[in-house]
Amino acid sequence: DAGITQSPRYKITETGRQVTLMCHQTWSHSYMFWYRQDLGHGLRLIYYSAAADITDKGEVPDGYVVSRSKTENFPLTLESATRSQTSVYFCASRVGAIETQYFGPGTRLLVL
Amino acid sequence: AQKVTQAQTEISVVEKEDVTLDCVYETRDTTYYLFWYKQPPSGELVFLIRRNSFDEQNEISGRYSWNFQKSTSSFNFTITASQVVDSAVYFCALIRTGANNLFFGTGTRLTVIP
Repeated sequence: DAGITQSPRYKITETGRQVTLMCHQTWSHSYMFWYRQDLGHGLRLIYYSAAADITDKGEVPDGYVVSRSKTENFPLTLESATRSQTSVYFCASRVGAIETQYFGPGTRLLVL
Repeated sequence: AQKVTQAQTEISVVEKEDVTLDCVYETRDTTYYLFWYKQPPSGELVFLIRRNSFDEQNEISGRYSWNFQKSTSSFNFTITASQVVDSAVYFCALIRTGANNLFFGTGTRLTVIP
């Protein structure tokens, strides 16, 4: 059971480039989430999706775009990467509205 | 608004010692859930426990125990007889029932010295 996977696990890019981080889950969970982890901030919600074709902003959405055409996939795109977007990005999912969120292994992104 | 405070940034203990990680939360909601997650050096986030606001019973799971006290808005985590494998960053988190934003504390880095 693969659970929730993220790719790539590590990414180095340059300022201004577009970057897409992938998230895939095999549990058929309705909800999916993107968080970023930064020192001194813990994890903060970027975007979430309650179902396919339904997405909404979280706490820190600026500079990011998401889509969810299939239940199992929830890609996160940085349209024009900035150094402040250097972070560790975690994808998470949960089966329903009040269930526990389970996290993927994370993607370390460095923007030069 | 919700807020989670983990005042202990780093803790070091010698193996076999007991250690308590503190978590204090703020919320105006009457129904909510509290969580603890573990982030080992490999970087993934591992779910440890979930507690709802109506259930103040303490919970024990092996060497782990959790003390939830609504009167002090605290949800502390104790590791008994710590082991080197317990070395990790531990996060406390809070979510309002039915909401989508899981609010995390800044984490406590626990180092267990052999």
